[in-house]
Amino acid sequence: DVVMTQSPLSLPVTLGQPASISCRSSQSPVYSDGNTYLSWFQQRPGQSPRRLIYKVSNRDSGVPDRFSGSGSGTDFTLKISRVEAEDVGVYYCMQGTHWPWTFGQGTKVEIK
Amino acid sequence: EVHLVESGGGLVQPGGSLRLSCAASGFTLSSYWMHWVRQAPGKGLVWVSRINGDGSSISYADSVKGRFTISRDNAKNTLYLQMNSLRAEDTAVYYCATEDHWAPEHWGQGTLVTVSS
Repeated sequence: DVVMTQSPLSLPVTLGQPASISCRSSQSPVYSDGNTYLSWFQQRPGQSPRRLIYKVSNRDSGVPDRFSGSGSGTDFTLKISRVEAEDVGVYYCMQGTHWPWTFGQGTKVEIK
Repeated sequence: EVHLVESGGGLVQPGGSLRLSCAASGFTLSSYWMHWVRQAPGKGLVWVSRINGDGSSISYADSVKGRFTISRDNAKNTLYLQMNSLRAEDTAVYYCATEDHWAPEHWGQGTLVTVSS
């Protein structure tokens, strides 16, 4: 199975400051159709996961533009330009190119 | 608006069975691949199983293959997960989810399955 490795696993941030989460894939998630099926999810405390980003950099409907995704090859990044209190939770990357789908371990974002 | 509601979770003894349901509304279920993803208490997300729109293509994680069966009734707008020979390590919140762009898009609220004697 493809291993997704996130860092850091814990990210204390100051309100209004930027935050960045890294995700590395053990195999390239580029598919033969040219697309890279790498997604990001947010899970707030006590809630179900919510998809934020699909295909590396495409924001889902309703996702604030302070969230952005980037990367290529095997290295990907989720950035929050200015952290707000509602951004507290655990963030997961996931590859959907190779079966089975696999998720990263999760990065816990908390306010300092 | 897409709405997914899981049910059927509960406490079951090792070796027992449960059937989870996922009631869908706000969209045409038959048009979507559907998935089950689980999350053990305090742990991360793990993909469990998938089924295509008409039920003709199905996949399972190795950890549940031969024990779990995914199915769907598009007329009833419902997805199912039959879980047999349950083990302690199957204890988790089970989410159903729609697929879009090769990733889960819409998620239900989850149903907790606890396997314990």
